[in-house]
Amino acid sequence: NAGVTQTPKFRILKIGQSMTLQCTQDMNHNYMYWYRQDPGMGLKLIYYSVGAGITDKGEVPNGYNVSRSTTEDFPLRLELAAPSQTSVYFCASSPGGGEPQHFGDGTRLSIL
Amino acid sequence: AQSVAQPEDQVNVAEGNPLTVKCTYSVSGNPYLFWYVQYPNRGLQFLLKYITGDNLVKGSYGFEAEFNKSQTSFHLKKPSALVSDSALYFCAVRDIGSFSGGYNKLIFGAGTRLAVHP
Repeated sequence: NAGVTQTPKFRILKIGQSMTLQCTQDMNHNYMYWYRQDPGMGLKLIYYSVGAGITDKGEVPNGYNVSRSTTEDFPLRLELAAPSQTSVYFCASSPGGGEPQHFGDGTRLSIL
Repeated sequence: AQSVAQPEDQVNVAEGNPLTVKCTYSVSGNPYLFWYVQYPNRGLQFLLKYITGDNLVKGSYGFEAEFNKSQTSFHLKKPSALVSDSALYFCAVRDIGSFSGGYNKLIFGAGTRLAVHP
């Protein structure tokens, strides 16, 4: 019962570096999402995907990119890391309709 | 604009007492509402949802929520709190614009920290 798996769990980046946050799910869900969680702010949607090859922007997409080449994987790319991107990032998936989203355990990212 | 408000940053309750975590929403049309719980260093876990039907929804771990359309509220409740219920709780509403696409774009509240004291 792996569900949604995120790697790495922790990372420290220097300003200007790039990295990819990995997310994979084994539930054959069509819909996948990336959120960031900042203290006292709830979760903000960065990008989402409704299926392989189809992605769209959420509320806070600037500074990020995504791709969805398979149903299982939905990586999030930071190209030029900035201190404002210090946050906890969550990946989620859902089967669609009114069904709830399933979340990974998050990646804690610090940019110094 | 659609929104979710959780008016309390923190709720303190003694073990064994009933608890309520408040949530109000603003959305056009009929809302899809969700409650999630987050334990330290973990992702969000689904507790319960309201889509239609009975206004009292039962969920995981003994939690329930009451949908009140006239007050636009969806408060989370539990008759007898446990120390292990201490966590961060999020209320969320499905974005009305995502209905046609079939996906579940959620708008989250800021979260309420529940502290249950022995």
